Amino acid sequence: EVQLVESGGGLVQPGGSLRLSCTASGFTSTNFWMSWVRQAPGKGLEWVANINQDGTRKYYVESVEGRFIISRDNTKNSLYLQMNSLRVEDTAVYYCARARGSGSEPCFWGQGALVTVSS
Amino acid sequence: QTVVTQEPSLTVSPGGTVTLTCASSTGAVTSGYYPNWFQQKPGQAPRALIYSTNNKHSWTPARFSGSLLGGKAALTLSGVQPEDEAEYYCLLYYGDGQGSWVFGGGTKLTVL
Repeated sequence: EVQLVESGGGLVQPGGSLRLSCTASGFTSTNFWMSWVRQAPGKGLEWVANINQDGTRKYYVESVEGRFIISRDNTKNSLYLQMNSLRVEDTAVYYCARARGSGSEPCFWGQGALVTVSS
Repeated sequence: QTVVTQEPSLTVSPGGTVTLTCASSTGAVTSGYYPNWFQQKPGQAPRALIYSTNNKHSWTPARFSGSLLGGKAALTLSGVQPEDEAEYYCLLYYGDGQGSWVFGGGTKLTVL
């Protein structure tokens, strides 16, 4: 069974940094694209970033480009999101997601981690 | 900036049929946008329903189907059940690079 568990969320001040982790089980992560998707309180889903199987291709939504870094450690079956220069508008539940198979679209989802950016 | 547009809300009666659509600000949606559809209920993570326009996952109920309709991606629910009341999101692919994938704003489906 595919399981994804996010951790590292919390309260941070504007301008601060936070690192989210996602631990995967039930599959070999080296075979799949992985993504981060976020959802601000009461709002819709927003694709944030994804990374290919060996970490050589990384793509971001424009609003986080240059501030967030997606990475993975396949030896630990883990995905990460380093978030720097955080803004109030980055407040959201952040979901880790695994692709279905050959594509890169998110398919299997974790339960999410809440990140609150506030002074 | 690319915008993906969905109906904000729709209402359907139990047992009825409803179609949700997904449009792109860049023009007609084709299979090359690999349309995906997701269902999200309050307090839960999204659940994938449809990938690559019209392909169902193993867990997708048969009453859900995906298609292309009039230059948009579409999700049709036939024989709607009360448990189908949820938010539905489409997701379109814009190529490798910045903004690879873009979600629509979501459709709140009410079963009444």
